[in-house]
Amino acid sequence: QKEVEQNSGPLSVPEGAIASLNCTYSDRVSQSFFWYRQYSGKSPELIMSIYSNGDKEDGRFTAQLNKASQYVSLLIRDSQPSDSATYLCARGGGTASKLTFGTGTRLQVTL
Amino acid sequence: DAGITQSPRHKVTETGTPVTLRCHQTENHRYMYWYRQDPGHGLRLIHYSYGVKDTDKGEVSDGYSVSRSKTEDFLLTLESATSSQTSVYFCAISERGSGQETQYFGPGTRLLVL
Repeated sequence: QKEVEQNSGPLSVPEGAIASLNCTYSDRVSQSFFWYRQYSGKSPELIMSIYSNGDKEDGRFTAQLNKASQYVSLLIRDSQPSDSATYLCARGGGTASKLTFGTGTRLQVTL
Repeated sequence: DAGITQSPRHKVTETGTPVTLRCHQTENHRYMYWYRQDPGHGLRLIHYSYGVKDTDKGEVSDGYSVSRSKTEDFLLTLESATSSQTSVYFCAISERGSGQETQYFGPGTRLLVL
């Protein structure tokens, strides 16, 4: 079992809809979780971090963490074509602030 | 922008040759990391550094070495490049914000080993 698992997609949503991206992890001691967005040919850029159970909102983005279920998700409201990218989930908590990444979910927002 | 640059940005080399990639940061961050990214595997940690001359292995360190002689530079060396090391290499730094460490990435280096 991979430490961080994501569905590779593509996840296709129409413009204006809510995109829901999911991630599960196997390590019960993980304390911090991160969502990165990566456009094709570019480097990952941090969108959200979440450390506590519940929801964390930042603009159109909401991260949700459920440690009991070992599940973290990212909701993108009012999806735009510019949101089309690969979204990487990562868990932290190791030594030297190391991260373990999932393989990413490709999101396509259609007109 | 976390002030991270990588050089070269693109490189084509031949099997068996040594290759060194450079990561440079301008903001005195303690932690630096080298990842490789391949289709189907995501980002995988190669090596990391927690200070000058302090480095350790990640999950895919075989065939790679690193050095950090000063805070701002973290070098990744492929001692004898192989075709399996064709990849995109990202450097990252860790920055503390809101009480937690968060990683930020450089622009990447595309390496092709023929």
